Amino acid sequence: GAVVSQHPSWVICKSGTSVKIECRSLDFQATTMFWYRQFPKQSLMLMATSNEGSKATYEQGVEKDKFLINHASLTLSTLTVTSAHPEDSSFYICSARRLDLRYFGPGTRLTVL
Amino acid sequence: GNSVTQMEGPVTLSEEAFLTINCTYTATGYPSLFWYVQYPGEGLQLLLKATKADDKGSNKGFEATYRKETTSFHLEKGSVQVSDSAVYFCALSDYSNDYKLSFGAGTTVTVRA
Repeated sequence: GAVVSQHPSWVICKSGTSVKIECRSLDFQATTMFWYRQFPKQSLMLMATSNEGSKATYEQGVEKDKFLINHASLTLSTLTVTSAHPEDSSFYICSARRLDLRYFGPGTRLTVL
Repeated sequence: GNSVTQMEGPVTLSEEAFLTINCTYTATGYPSLFWYVQYPGEGLQLLLKATKADDKGSNKGFEATYRKETTSFHLEKGSVQVSDSAVYFCALSDYSNDYKLSFGAGTTVTVRA
């Protein structure tokens, strides 16, 4: 089946620094990828839709200047959390669309100290 | 708007017990319905889906029937195994939200030997 990877799987950073998370579709091309945030024992919250070659579409309430998304190729989307703060600590999950199905990455655990 | 409500967990069962996880939805149009499973340390995987009323999705011994009259998509398995321990998410997508996935809060299931 289709595989989506994320890197890193976990990261710890100091407050005020920026962190980049990569999402790759390993065996298929994905024109659309999605970024989610998952809080403990809660559902996945869609943050933004990333389209290859164009600007990402952000969901209401998500700061586009804080969560920078770049979808530079058909197999790679990146999420950069800029000037991270402890409240940004969360589990970030990407998903890639292939036809009418979605394939999810294993997630990235971000801890901001 | 679209929303998904699933029963709260955690659910703890003994091996070979019967599992039911309730899921109801609200949608503007005629959504497709999904169950995703997240095993410890892994990304979400599609477990089963149904795209129209009265469809039954099935996989790995799990079943769910799309009930339009009760707006429900309950997940069932007749005899669970320890390996079924995971978090289960009910989800929907339809045209009114550009086919983005809306997730329930997730239900943690633990199966004891």
